[in-house]
Amino acid sequence: SQQGEEDPQALSIQEGENATMNCSYKTSINNLQWYRQNSGRGLVHLILIRSNEREKHSGRLRVTLDTSKKSSSLLITASRAADTASYFCATDAGGEDRGSTLGRLYFGRGTQLTVWP
Amino acid sequence: DAGITQSPRYKITETGRQVTLMCHQTWSHSYMFWYRQDLGHGLRLIYYSAAADITDKGEVPDGYVVSRSKTENFPLTLESATRSQTSVYFCASRNREYEQYFGPGTRLTVT
Repeated sequence: SQQGEEDPQALSIQEGENATMNCSYKTSINNLQWYRQNSGRGLVHLILIRSNEREKHSGRLRVTLDTSKKSSSLLITASRAADTASYFCATDAGGEDRGSTLGRLYFGRGTQLTVWP
Repeated sequence: DAGITQSPRYKITETGRQVTLMCHQTWSHSYMFWYRQDLGHGLRLIYYSAAADITDKGEVPDGYVVSRSKTENFPLTLESATRSQTSVYFCASRNREYEQYFGPGTRLTVT
């Protein structure tokens, strides 16, 4: 399967702490993306990191990518109760999967993050 | 309003009935997608479309039909609904930077 797999499945922390979620995947990728889903809502795009990038920041988010290990991590610093949500990684396998599936994302099952006030 | 919308938001139907889920986006994105989300499976791609009149199957296309006569609309039809199609359905469109934008979802229950 080309799906990304998030780890851990669930994470529970206190406000102010940092939250780290990991994603592993199996095939070469064009880019990797992280999405957030609040309960009962659609997914919201957080950040995209390309295969030739190693680290990217966006506000309190920091994403790393290690293509040699086929893994990525999402760090949320100084977590807030409002960060409580499910977080998904998604891989765009443009490298080996061009043509008919260009732009197609493969989602993992997600990490459920709970931030306690 | 700009964005991506889905209708209906909730739907209950009976086994064997035809159901159409609507998706509309205002960005003129070329790519659009239909996913279903089920506990234990995450998001699975049903169908996608690269442009008007161009559609292709995803991971779980059986029992579904799509069309794309206009860039902004991408309806998904369940030709003869089954209980296994009870799920939450999400439509998405993709910008040129490969980022996908999701609709609010349609919760479908097949009885």
